[in-house]
Amino acid sequence: AQSVAQPEDQVNVAEGNPLTVKCTYSVSGNPYLFWYVQYPNRGLQFLLKYITGDNLVKGSYGFEAEFNKSQTSFHLKKPSALVSDSALYFCAVRDWNDMRFGAGTRLTVKP
Amino acid sequence: DGGITQSPKYLFRKEGQNVTLSCEQNLNHDAMYWYRQDPGQGLRLIYYSQIVNDFQKGDIAEGYSVSREKKESFPLTVTSAQKNPTAFYLCASSVGSGISSYEQYFGPGTRLTVT
Repeated sequence: AQSVAQPEDQVNVAEGNPLTVKCTYSVSGNPYLFWYVQYPNRGLQFLLKYITGDNLVKGSYGFEAEFNKSQTSFHLKKPSALVSDSALYFCAVRDWNDMRFGAGTRLTVKP
Repeated sequence: DGGITQSPKYLFRKEGQNVTLSCEQNLNHDAMYWYRQDPGQGLRLIYYSQIVNDFQKGDIAEGYSVSREKKESFPLTVTSAQKNPTAFYLCASSVGSGISSYEQYFGPGTRLTVT
């Protein structure tokens, strides 16, 4: 079965600094990988996905993610963090009939 | 939250009562899903439906039931058999299912509290 892991429960960065939220995956076959963001008491919002092609995927709100096949990773990045980026971030991988989510990483951006 | 609505936003019930959570989508998506979210556990799949009049159990289906009589609607009933029903419930839909590149779109969620 497909799965993803988010090794960090919490990530803290200062506003204006680059941010990275980590994700590793385990799949059989080609991976379809996704990042979602969740604000308090809200549903998940789709940020970006990797299907095939360029290893650097650009998404919403200035986020991007780097697919690394040799390291089986799909880390979410942003060059300059905003306080409004503070939220819960989920990595996910498409499985046969659903999506498998990581446990989530809480990102806090401090002014 | 796209074209998916969930109601109500907050729901309070007494232990032993069944309760039904609504999920409606106007995205013309074939596939719909119900997830449960608990703190620190990510999302866990309860049920999913690939087409009308068909649905499949997910990882934690015990104590829940669903129906898919219309393409737009996928209500979830939390029965009295569910031992720990207090949670945040999320409905989602996607264009299709199976191994595919389709992302899922989520509703705003329903927070159920059972006392």
